[in-house]
Amino acid sequence: AQRVTQPEKLLSVFKGAPVELKCNYSYSGSPELFWYVQYSRQRLQLLLRHISRESIKGFTADLNKGETSFHLKKPFAQEEDSAMYYCAHKGSNYQLIWGAGTKLIIKP
Amino acid sequence: EAGVAQSPRYKIIEKRQSVAFWCNPISGHATLYWYQQILGQGPKLLIQFQNNGVVDDSQLPKDRFSAERLKGVDSTLKIQPAKLEDSAVYLCASSLNLRTEAFFGQGTRLTVV
Repeated sequence: AQRVTQPEKLLSVFKGAPVELKCNYSYSGSPELFWYVQYSRQRLQLLLRHISRESIKGFTADLNKGETSFHLKKPFAQEEDSAMYYCAHKGSNYQLIWGAGTKLIIKP
Repeated sequence: EAGVAQSPRYKIIEKRQSVAFWCNPISGHATLYWYQQILGQGPKLLIQFQNNGVVDDSQLPKDRFSAERLKGVDSTLKIQPAKLEDSAVYLCASSLNLRTEAFFGQGTRLTVV
């Protein structure tokens, strides 16, 4: 079965510290992976996707097919990064399969 | 560009009552999704439309949930009768097509008491 796992429900780091939000997927084909973010009282929005290989708001994510991972990283956390982060995978029938989400809290 | 609009934002009903949610996608978006998000979980796809046709409704509890997108634009999701476990946020999203980025509405928070 296609599945996305985010092992941490909550991650708390100090401002300026590095951040890594973990995401693992299970899919035998060529994966298409995304990170979505939901800031407090705002709608869910796309942060980045692996095919574009871009850096958004200082975040990057590298697809590691060997480890079936797509971890989200930022070298220096900022307070405005506090939010819920969801990893998602687009399956063979184009539907998004979501992880349970990680709540990121950046402490001042 | 206007975003995906959903109404109502909040709804409280008693179990066994019925409820309907409305979604207006971004203009020109052919694909429309309804998700259910239970507290502490990621969104779960209920139904996916391409124009006015259903692409995937495999996770829609069809004995009580129904959805339609008659003219390929707006969509309604109905629950009848509601159960306590239906308490969740119902998210609508739309995309240009099946392969492109999905844009989400603010969601409707349903509480069944």
